[in-house]
Amino acid sequence: QVQLVQSGAEVKKPGASVKVSCKASGYTFTNYYMYWVRQAPGQGLEWMGIINPSGGSTTYAQKFQDRVTMTRDTSTSTVYMELSSLRSEDTAVYYCARDGVSGVPAAGTFDYWGQGTLVTVSS
Amino acid sequence: EIVMTQSPATLSVSPGERATLSCRASQTVGSNLAWYQQKPGQAPRLLIYGASARATGFPARFSGSGSGTEFTLTISSLQSEDFAVYYCQQYNSWPWRTFGQGTKVEIK
Repeated sequence: QVQLVQSGAEVKKPGASVKVSCKASGYTFTNYYMYWVRQAPGQGLEWMGIINPSGGSTTYAQKFQDRVTMTRDTSTSTVYMELSSLRSEDTAVYYCARDGVSGVPAAGTFDYWGQGTLVTVSS
Repeated sequence: EIVMTQSPATLSVSPGERATLSCRASQTVGSNLAWYQQKPGQAPRLLIYGASARATGFPARFSGSGSGTEFTLTISSLQSEDFAVYYCQQYNSWPWRTFGQGTKVEIK
């Protein structure tokens, strides 16, 4: 079965960086794009960007363009999201989510989600 | 950027009643519209895609409709497990994705 397992919670100081991992299993890793989405406490969902695990190409939301880097390791079927220059407003749960529906890749929808990683930014 | 606007922010409904949630796009998204259900402490779950197709695992009391800029999610007879927050999401322009701000369906 498809699983996306994310790394554990992080506490960071303002100005630091955080790197969150998302390990995929149960499907062919390179066949499906992966998104990153975040959710601040009590708030809605915010799309951060997308990575193609096959070639590694990325597209980032303009809001995060200067601070986010998404990478992948095909040998371990893992994608990573690194966010730099952290500020208190970055405190949120960060999710990875697969692009697909009913087994069809590149559908534009988020069919499987990781469990979320809480990143807390506090001095 | 396509802006998605959901209404109402909160919907108070009694079990067994119908719930109707709205989602509006700032420009046309065709039928490239999805709905997600999120319960407290959980990741969102894909509910509807293609504006009206139900995802695996959701019962027929959930239905989606609309195209272009106006969309509706209807829950025909609310069950206790349906009280949650619902988000719409557009996927019309590759690879940009945007979500609505969510509608919380709460027990009246």
